[in-house]
Amino acid sequence: EAQVTQNPRYLITVTGKKLTVTCSQNMNHEYMSWYRQDPGLGLRQIYYSMNVEVTDKGDVPEGYKVSRKEKRNFPLILESPSPNQTSLYFCASSFRQGENTGELFFGEGSRLTVL
Amino acid sequence: TQLLEQSPQFLSIQEGENLTVYCNSSSVFSSLQWYRQEPGEGPVLLVTVVTGGEVKKLKRLTFQFGDARKDSSLHITAAQPGDTGLYLCAGEPGNMDSSYKLIFGSGTRLLVRP
Repeated sequence: EAQVTQNPRYLITVTGKKLTVTCSQNMNHEYMSWYRQDPGLGLRQIYYSMNVEVTDKGDVPEGYKVSRKEKRNFPLILESPSPNQTSLYFCASSFRQGENTGELFFGEGSRLTVL
Repeated sequence: TQLLEQSPQFLSIQEGENLTVYCNSSSVFSSLQWYRQEPGEGPVLLVTVVTGGEVKKLKRLTFQFGDARKDSSLHITAAQPGDTGLYLCAGEPGNMDSSYKLIFGSGTRLLVRP
């Protein structure tokens, strides 16, 4: 079954404790992206990757890191989480079409709470 | 920065009623997507519109892309409780500097009461 898998689905942590949210897709998609979803703000892009070893900042990259060492995996790293990073996070992938992102396939989301 | 504004933010209607959701911008988009998101899940693509003036139908849902490719609408006929969810529009920017940066609207939360 074609899917994007995120882990963990739920996490409560404390300020400053490094954490990683993993994302894996089995569709051989070149493009992967991380979004955060906050009430009234829709989905905001954190980082994206067009292919292995190619990553770029989205609209809200501060406080986050990513890496793309393999095509299927795109982990999101919070080196020193702060309460303003409490949010619902989504990983997504697509078979990008030319200059366009194309249809995004989303994971089920990871709800993060930073105390 | 290109923005997409959706309206209304919330909509609560009775089963059988019609509704329209709007997605507006002052910027041109090369294409526009509509997603639906249900609680506890990620958004799922409903449709992509590409050509100015394009109309696409998906059962009781009708999607339209504005002639100038700056706005879009989603019309639902005879809404059903199964249509309940968060509807998101997302635009592909029309300029090379913003490639691969799909821009999402803030969403319209729809509740269809039985």
